[in-house]
Amino acid sequence: QQQVRQSPQSLTVWEGETAILNCSYEDSTFDYFPWYHQFPGESPALLIAIRPVSNKKEDGRFTIFFNKREKKFSLHIADSQPGDSATYFCAASGGNEKITFGAGTKLTIKP
Amino acid sequence: GPKVLQIPSHQIIDMGQMVTLNCDPVSNHLYFYWYKQILGQQMEFLVNFYNGKVMEKSKLFKDQFSVERPDGSYFTLKIQPTALEDSAVYFCASSLDTANTEVFFGKGTRLTVV
Repeated sequence: QQQVRQSPQSLTVWEGETAILNCSYEDSTFDYFPWYHQFPGESPALLIAIRPVSNKKEDGRFTIFFNKREKKFSLHIADSQPGDSATYFCAASGGNEKITFGAGTKLTIKP
Repeated sequence: GPKVLQIPSHQIIDMGQMVTLNCDPVSNHLYFYWYKQILGQQMEFLVNFYNGKVMEKSKLFKDQFSVERPDGSYFTLKIQPTALEDSAVYFCASSLDTANTEVFFGKGTRLTVV
């Protein structure tokens, strides 16, 4: 059962554009929604996270938009840089104490 | 920042043999996790562990799998016997509190069963 769906599978944008990565979930008990990024050969690392009390969370060039009613959330990367090229995973967790990951989006930023 | 260390980084093993994957979690963390990632696919939850006990395990956590953390040493994942479909990257992770806080991941152990 895939509880967190992520799209697109891969995304290429030009340097300076905004990259938009999308996720949706099914389980209404989820109450924590992190985004992780992973560079080749490295650990997945937390980038930014949001809780449902907010519908927007910003950290520099990275913004999460959260829509509780539609059970969707997205990551916007503004002014994207070649160094942002990585695989991004959305995720969700609730009271069951595990993180459920999406399938990942391989993001490529072209200079 | 805090680091989760995994040993070894690569392991090649004959089908049917036993393998132990070792994880050194962040020192003051209390919750520990194993995830499995087949190349190009998403990370799948295997098991979490707290206070010396398995809290939850997924369908992927077969009877051949076991976890332990004896006396606060390495948090280990043991597979006995291994099967070809166990080939994957196994990520260990830890968190200070539940998964609703920041979870730190290791770099993974690439297991190849031949």
